[in-house]
Amino acid sequence: GENVEQHPSTLSVQEGDSAVIKCTYSDSASNYFPWYKQELGKRPQLIIDIRSNVGEKKDQRIAVTLNKTAKHFSLHITETQPEDSAVYFCAATDTGGFKTIFGAGTRLFVKA
Amino acid sequence: GAVVSQHPSWVICKSGTSVKIECRSLDFQATTMFWYRQFPKQSLMLMATSNEGSKATYEQGVEKDKFLINHASLTLSTLTVTSAHPEDSSFYICSARKGGTGELFFGEGSRLTVL
Repeated sequence: GENVEQHPSTLSVQEGDSAVIKCTYSDSASNYFPWYKQELGKRPQLIIDIRSNVGEKKDQRIAVTLNKTAKHFSLHITETQPEDSAVYFCAATDTGGFKTIFGAGTRLFVKA
Repeated sequence: GAVVSQHPSWVICKSGTSVKIECRSLDFQATTMFWYRQFPKQSLMLMATSNEGSKATYEQGVEKDKFLINHASLTLSTLTVTSAHPEDSSFYICSARKGGTGELFFGEGSRLTVL
């Protein structure tokens, strides 16, 4: 089955700096890669996603890149703000849009 | 967006009792719902896929007799933790997709504490 690895587990940046979180997946049949943000005690919320027919997607300060050949995808947050502090999960969904498997999560701290 | 509601948000029970958690899709129909378990500071581990009108599909290592799943309607799936033990204490969270999109919408989660 699908296995998603995520790094780093913890990331601390200064406000205004960029943050990059990287994930790899094992199942080449996966074709949908969402990123979720989870604040303490709350439910995960989708922040951006990318499908396998696209290499890059951007939404304001957030961007995601996908390298299908290497089975890598990354989340880039620019101009970080304290409210970006949360746990971020990458995930991969199989071809049938069925199961979504999550990475271990990255705890992002943005210092003011 | 879409709304998924989960109840109860937290529950404390004695060891050996059973606990039922409900997951509802409030503004859409969900033929499939997913149950995840999350330990403190850890990831979301898929436990099982709940299928409306048929048996749930369990992930490897998840005891189906321990975690009973029922998906009797297009808007409701239930997870029953049977004969709960302290090691079952965790955050259980359900999710569902709306239509053909890939996005998962999550419930609020249910924190189970077994004494």
